Amino acid sequence: GAGVSQSPSNKVTEKGKDVELRCDPISGHTALYWYRQRLGQGLEFLIYFQGNSAPDKSGLPSDRFSAERTGESVSTLTIQRTQQEDSAVYLCASSFGANLHYEQFFGPGTRLTVL
Amino acid sequence: SQQGEEDPQALSIQEGENATMNCSYKTSINNLQWYRQNSGRGLVHLILIRSNEREKHSGRLRVTLDTSKKSSSLLITASRAADTASYFCATDAKGGSEKLVFGKGTKLTVNP
Repeated sequence: GAGVSQSPSNKVTEKGKDVELRCDPISGHTALYWYRQRLGQGLEFLIYFQGNSAPDKSGLPSDRFSAERTGESVSTLTIQRTQQEDSAVYLCASSFGANLHYEQFFGPGTRLTVL
Repeated sequence: SQQGEEDPQALSIQEGENATMNCSYKTSINNLQWYRQNSGRGLVHLILIRSNEREKHSGRLRVTLDTSKKSSSLLITASRAADTASYFCATDAKGGSEKLVFGKGTKLTVNP
């Protein structure tokens, strides 16, 4: 079946604008994760969902960042009033369950550039 | 701070040689995973090793785990140019939230 998909693949925006990033997980995967990766760096955990609930939002950098998930499927990460330091690749992953014995399947990411 | 830290940060070898990458972590874990990333985009899961396992093999990959030293190594044998990528270890935290913590990765270059 299809893997994890993300859209858009690239997004260029001006400082101060809001952006929405979308993730479509693998069908049947109950857990969904968002990460941020700055250039040359490792992955920085942002938030994860079990079903439509987000038990751990501790990685969200500021109140400008929010995420939601509906229908235990698609998730949207919203960044309000973007800043240049938000420029990064945003990666989404899904897994069969939130138990970390399951591998995570990653999407190709959205490269966000804030001018 | 990072739970997992890989070293070296960068490794360049010739095709056919073996590549060894190391990962150290700070707190007790349930399991440790290795991932591969090409061209700064999506990651691909390579192997998962549980805290009660010491060694695991998958094709040309061999992973070891030493919980007493809080370290793991990934060995790629008979490397190929196509193995060129960044390799990350990721750990959970025993008793912690259901999230993986990734290191900064080792950038491996295999020269033909």
